[in-house]
Order: sequence, then C-alpha cells, then structure tokens
Amino acid sequence: NAGVTQTPKFRVLKTGQSMTLLCAQDMNHEYMYWYRQDPGMGLRLIHYSVGEGTTAKGEVPDGYNVSRLKKQNFLLGLESAAPSQTSVYFCASSPGGSFYEQYFGPGTRLTVT
Amino acid sequence: GENVEQHPSTLSVQEGDSAVIKCTYSDSASNYFPWYKQELGKGPQLIIDIRSNVGEKKDQRIAVTLNKTAKHFSLHITETQPEDSAVYFCAANSGGGADGLTFGKGTHLIIQP
Repeated sequence: NAGVTQTPKFRVLKTGQSMTLLCAQDMNHEYMYWYRQDPGMGLRLIHYSVGEGTTAKGEVPDGYNVSRLKKQNFLLGLESAAPSQTSVYFCASSPGGSFYEQYFGPGTRLTVT
Repeated sequence: GENVEQHPSTLSVQEGDSAVIKCTYSDSASNYFPWYKQELGKGPQLIIDIRSNVGEKKDQRIAVTLNKTAKHFSLHITETQPEDSAVYFCAANSGGGADGLTFGKGTHLIIQP
C-alpha cells in the first residue's frame, strides 16, 4: 500500500495564478483533511471531508476550495494564489474522524512569488 | 475552538538522557491526544496516542501521560538516541467530532552525542 500520496511535491506560482493539489489514499478511509504548515505555527486545518461528496471548512479556509468527487481523492484548489499562501501543505486521512489516527502524506511545498 | 500550547520550542539533551515535552489544551470535551514526529522533509508520523479514559500509556522508550483535571499531557522519551532528533507535535481533537486535530507549535528535539 502506498498510504497517502500527494502531487506535486514542489511548485512555484506567481501571484494570481491558480493550481490544484491532489491527495490520494488507498486505505479506504472515509475522512480526509488538508493542513498547512508554516514556520513556528504548527499545522492548521484548511478543509476536511467526512466522506465522498462532502466537504467542510476548517480553521483557515479563506482562499482555498476543495472537492471530494471520489472517496480516495481529495483536491485542494487555489483560485488566485497570494504570497501569504506560501507554505507546506499536508494531506491526511483517517478511518473514523478525529478520534482516530490520522495518516499524513509527504507534503507539497508551494511558493508564491 | 480548541487551543493547544506546547513547550519547550527547542529541547537539547545528551544522548542517553530523558526528554520531556509538555502540552496544555483548552477544550474540556477533547478526548484524543496524539503525538507526532516529523523528520526533515517528511510528513508527521504518529508515535503514540492516548485517549481520555486512561492516564498513561507506554510503548518501549516512549510514554505519554494525561491529566484531564489540569488539561495537560506530556511526552516522555527515555534513553534518547540520535534517531530521536526531530520535531515533535502534540495535538488534540475537539470533543470527538469529525473535524481535524488542533496541533501545538512543535518542539525541536536535539540529541547531543
């Protein structure tokens, strides 16, 4: 099993450009999450999903959109990138919500210039 | 919402000594407290977790204690080894709901040879 994979690993965007980050998991987990990690800030929740076709906002959702069209995939979109969105983005999945272990992907390092 | 404070931000110990990292949380309904280890360039990986129905859990050289009354929990690493050098994050859920974890800001553990 690959676990949780993220595409791409690195990306540089110019202000105003758009992009989509892809997260895939092969563990048949219902719950999936997107976090961002900034120096000295720990990980902060952007959006999450409790199942195929559902999404919900986390702590820092502004400027991001998500979709969960298939159970195994969770997409994070930036419609108009801003320098404040320069960060490392982590996807995670869980079999049963926040009472259970979350399995993290390797991360995507995004730089917005 | 939940707030998690973690101390210290940096901890340097001699190889073979013990290391202790402490966290406090604010939401009395939180019932799941995981600890993650993050190595450079990788995603966080669960090393141990504790649920609110127990006060202590141990796994070889790693132990976690939970004091629900005081709303704090701690990670103890004994007989530290060079491979223990990493950033450690504590986290707490929000009363067992579907949304994600709230993380502390991390502790950079340095094992001195």
